[in-house]
Formats: sequence, structure tokens, C-alpha cells
Amino acid sequence: GESVGLHLPTLSVQEGDNSIINCAYSNSASDYFIWYKQESGKGPQFIIDIRSNMDKRQGQRVTVLLNKTVKHLSLQIAATQPGDSAVYFCAESPLQGGKLIFGQGTELSVKP
Amino acid sequence: EADIYQTPRYLVIGTGKKITLECSQTMGHDKMYWYQQDPGMELHLIHYSYGVNSTEKGDLSSESTVSRIRTEHFPLTLESARPSHTSQYLCASSEYGEGGYNEQFFGPGTRLTVL
Repeated sequence: GESVGLHLPTLSVQEGDNSIINCAYSNSASDYFIWYKQESGKGPQFIIDIRSNMDKRQGQRVTVLLNKTVKHLSLQIAATQPGDSAVYFCAESPLQGGKLIFGQGTELSVKP
Repeated sequence: EADIYQTPRYLVIGTGKKITLECSQTMGHDKMYWYQQDPGMELHLIHYSYGVNSTEKGDLSSESTVSRIRTEHFPLTLESARPSHTSQYLCASSEYGEGGYNEQFFGPGTRLTVL
């Protein structure tokens, strides 16, 4: 069936370094992808999204890369800060859908 | 900042009790969703609604039920709570985006523990 998954369940980085969180998706019909950040005890918070007609999108300190050939999505966080420590989820949505399919989260831990 | 609210934030209840988890949003979004999430795990869609009087079951089977009588309100009810219902329940909403794309805004969640 459809699935979205992450390669690494945990990631530990030094403060100030760049972080890369990866995600694989299986539904080639998916046309929209989102990254969410979830801090302990809170609901997911939108970080950045990308449509399938793009391969890169940049936000403030974050960049999402989409490789449709290998069905791979990544989130890059520049100059990672302690406040970036959280669980990060990728999610996909098929065109004309509305439902999001979430993958397994990656826990990012930032060491001071 | 998303204006979507959930109450209660935490609920501990005994087996067999009826409970209703509240979710309200003030953004006028037509679409609303309920997810179930175990600690550290992915979110699973259990119910969604695309408008008033519209409700659908999600991808994960759930014994809960929902109603959508008003645009801003999407409560979830468990008629008889069981320990297997212990989980975090997240409510979300979104508007109809261009081309069908839609960012979902999440509430803070209700952590339910059934003893």
C-alpha cells in the first residue's frame, strides 16, 4: 500500500552544524509534500512544503529537496540550533486529495 | 499562529466511560481531520470531514465517531473507552488550496489514558 518512510529514526548534530533529514515515499502519484516539526507535548507545526513541479524550495534556514526519480524527499536545516530539537515528519498528498499520509518521524537532537 | 483548539489537553478515565474530545477552529476552514498518534510514532488518520454534515472514516480503523454540525466544531466521541484507546489524538484543519494542495494546521492534541 501507500507508505512514506524515513531512513533514520534519530539524528544527533552539533549546534551550528547543518542537519539533513531524509524521507522516502512510495506513491508516485503524490503531488504535494510537507515537512512538519513536532515538539514534545505539542501538535505538529508546518515547516515547509513543495509541489511535485519543483525540485527545491527554500525557507528561513530550511530547504526541501524533492527527487521524483527515486521518490526521495529531504529537509535541510542550516546552522542547527537547540530549538530545532524535535521530531520531524514528512507527509505526502496525492493530487486532488486532501488527506496527508505521514511517515515515521526522525528525532533530531542538537548538542550544545 | 494557527487558531485551532483542543480540550481537554489531558484526560485519564476508567474503562467503559463515554468521552468526547473537543476540537474547534476559528479559521473558517472547511476541512477538518482527526489523527491518532502513539508516542514517537507517525500520525494515523482516523476521521475527516470536508464540510458541514460530511464525515468519513480515515485510513486507520477506529471505534470512535465524529460529527460536523458546525464548520468550526469537530468533536470526537468514544462511547465506551478501553485501555487500547490510550493514545494522543490530534485535530487538524485546512482550507481548499489551489490545485487541491493544502497545509494542515494542528491543534495541541489530547493525551488520553484509559485505565
